[in-house]
Amino acid sequence: DTGVSQDPRHKITKRGQNVTFRCDPISEHNRLYWYRQTLGQGPEFLTYFQNEAQLEKSRLLSDRFSAERPKGSFSTLEIQRTEQGDSAMYLCASSLAIGVSPQYFGAGTRLSVL
Amino acid sequence: QKEVEQNSGPLSVPEGAIASLNCTYSDRVSQSFFWYRQYSGKSPELIMSIYSNGDKEDGRFTAQLNKASQYVSLLIRDSQPSDSATYLCAVQTGANNLFFGTGTRLTVIP
Repeated sequence: DTGVSQDPRHKITKRGQNVTFRCDPISEHNRLYWYRQTLGQGPEFLTYFQNEAQLEKSRLLSDRFSAERPKGSFSTLEIQRTEQGDSAMYLCASSLAIGVSPQYFGAGTRLSVL
Repeated sequence: QKEVEQNSGPLSVPEGAIASLNCTYSDRVSQSFFWYRQYSGKSPELIMSIYSNGDKEDGRFTAQLNKASQYVSLLIRDSQPSDSATYLCAVQTGANNLFFGTGTRLTVIP
């Protein structure tokens, strides 16, 4: 068990470009969450999957953001037409789908939009 | 809107002392409570979970939950310099997402 894996660890892009991040959850975990964290703040929820179904999306998730989890395994988060305000740490977490289970976080992808 | 409140600190304690971190939450139906430790530039690391009223101990860490007062705390005994980090309180209802506080920055002074 290698934990939650995120790729890339860092991404620098120019405003207006599209970026895509990948998350591989812990192998037996059915639930997968995306959060965004800016400096001095706690992580803010973006979206949540159980298996391949996207069950909830935050109002923070504008139309420029899209997430997928094909086949209920890894997930991708895409940001289109990036803006400077998108600069943040994007965190992925996973948990078991048995009752209430703790969420375990990956190392995150730090996005800088120039 | 669910809210989780923490004192942002910084909280400074001498090495070997007890550090006490507090958190209040607004949603009475919250069921699960977590403490995460986050070192600068790193991702949150789960250190404690608590689901029922009372105390839960794990090594030097004790989590305390009082649902009537909507209050959860974390005590760190025999604080070490390596405990210096930001501690995030997180609250969950059912299987849904976590709501986080802004974190309390702890500094343990050698």
